[in-house]
Amino acid sequence: AQSVTQLDSHVSVSEGTPVLLRCNYSSSYSPSLFWYVQHPNKGLQLLLKYTSAATLVKGINGFEAEFKKSETSFHLTKPSAHMSDAAEYFCVVSDLPFSGGYNKLIFGAGTRLAVHP
Amino acid sequence: DTAVSQTPKYLVTQMGNDKSIKCEQNLGHDTMYWYKQDSKKFLKIMFSYNNKELIINETVPNRFSPKSPDKAHLNLHINSLELGDSAVYFCASSQDEKGENSYEQYFGPGTRLTVT
Repeated sequence: AQSVTQLDSHVSVSEGTPVLLRCNYSSSYSPSLFWYVQHPNKGLQLLLKYTSAATLVKGINGFEAEFKKSETSFHLTKPSAHMSDAAEYFCVVSDLPFSGGYNKLIFGAGTRLAVHP
Repeated sequence: DTAVSQTPKYLVTQMGNDKSIKCEQNLGHDTMYWYKQDSKKFLKIMFSYNNKELIINETVPNRFSPKSPDKAHLNLHINSLELGDSAVYFCASSQDEKGENSYEQYFGPGTRLTVT
């Protein structure tokens, strides 16, 4: 089965500085990868997805992620953090080949991003 | 114009009770899911239905029974509630077709269940 590991449980940055949230994946085939964001007491919102097209994926709110097969990584970045970016971020992989052909999502443990003024 | 809605948003109940959480999506999607998010924010899939047919059933106690009256609704019934059932339960839907993994899942706002 597939899995993802989010390397940091907490990340703290100052407003206006770059954001880097790290994610490594384990997959025996070319995976589909996603980043979701969860703001406090809210549901999950898709930030971006990679599905074997361009390796650099642009998402909403200025976030992007780069798929690096050689490093089995899918790190999330943003050039300049905003206070509203403070949330929980989940790296997610599709478990398609092992779930009967249906799209079962496997979530990482999450990274809590704090943004300070 | 809510895409995926859940009721109730909060549910506080005592051990041993039976409760249901309802989910509805107006996106025309064929597949719906239930996820459980524990106190450490870890999210895990519980069930998935495609066109009212159960397609994913993780290792979940049989006290949990999903019901899909039509493809726009997926309800979760829980019998004999236990303290460990306290969590946030998320419903989601997607336009999945078998063999396709690029469709994102749209999540509801969650139902926070507290068992006392």
